[in-house]
Amino acid sequence: EVQLVQSGAEVKKPGESLKISCKGSGYIFLNYWIGWVRQMPGKGLEWMGIIYPADSDTRYSPSFQGQVTISADKSINTAYLHWSSLKASDTAVYYCARYRRGIAASTDPFAVWGQGTRVTVSS
Amino acid sequence: EIVLTQSPGTLSLSPGERAALSCRASQSVISNFLAWYQQKPGQAPRLLIYDASSRATGIPDRFSGSGSGTDFTLTISRLEPEDFAVYYCQQYGNSPKTFGQGTKVEIK
Repeated sequence: EVQLVQSGAEVKKPGESLKISCKGSGYIFLNYWIGWVRQMPGKGLEWMGIIYPADSDTRYSPSFQGQVTISADKSINTAYLHWSSLKASDTAVYYCARYRRGIAASTDPFAVWGQGTRVTVSS
Repeated sequence: EIVLTQSPGTLSLSPGERAALSCRASQSVISNFLAWYQQKPGQAPRLLIYDASSRATGIPDRFSGSGSGTDFTLTISRLEPEDFAVYYCQQYGNSPKTFGQGTKVEIK
């Protein structure tokens, strides 16, 4: 079974760093783009960026460029989303998701989703 | 950046009725790379339609997508109780790959 399993909920203070994870299984992790999507409380979906684990090619939305870092460790089939200094406005649920097809081109919808990681940033 | 505008914001319908959800793009979507997702409370989104009109694996045929260029529609032919949810469109032809703001389909 193809699945993405995300790390658990986090409660952090402003200014702290955080890295959340997304582990893929049931498919060849290297060959599929994985992305991150933010959903703030009561709001819609926001596309943050994607990474191609085979060569770590990474693309960011301008809204998130410089605010987060997306990475992947292909040896353990895991993608990451990292903040160096959290803000209260980072409070949201973060989903990782995998492209439908195992292709190098970065044009595909998200067909497999993780369960979401809730991040709460509060002093 | 392509802005996707979904309408209406909320659609109030009864089970068995037909639902038509609109997604309009601020510029033409390359190769009609337009997807529709369904999200229920507390759950991750689920891919319904990709490439504007192709159903994803396991999606019932009461869901259909149509449109091209800047105007796209998701149609649910006969609403089932489990179809009441929020629906998002997404374009993935241009970077960044943007989402619409969502349409909530609620029980009337």
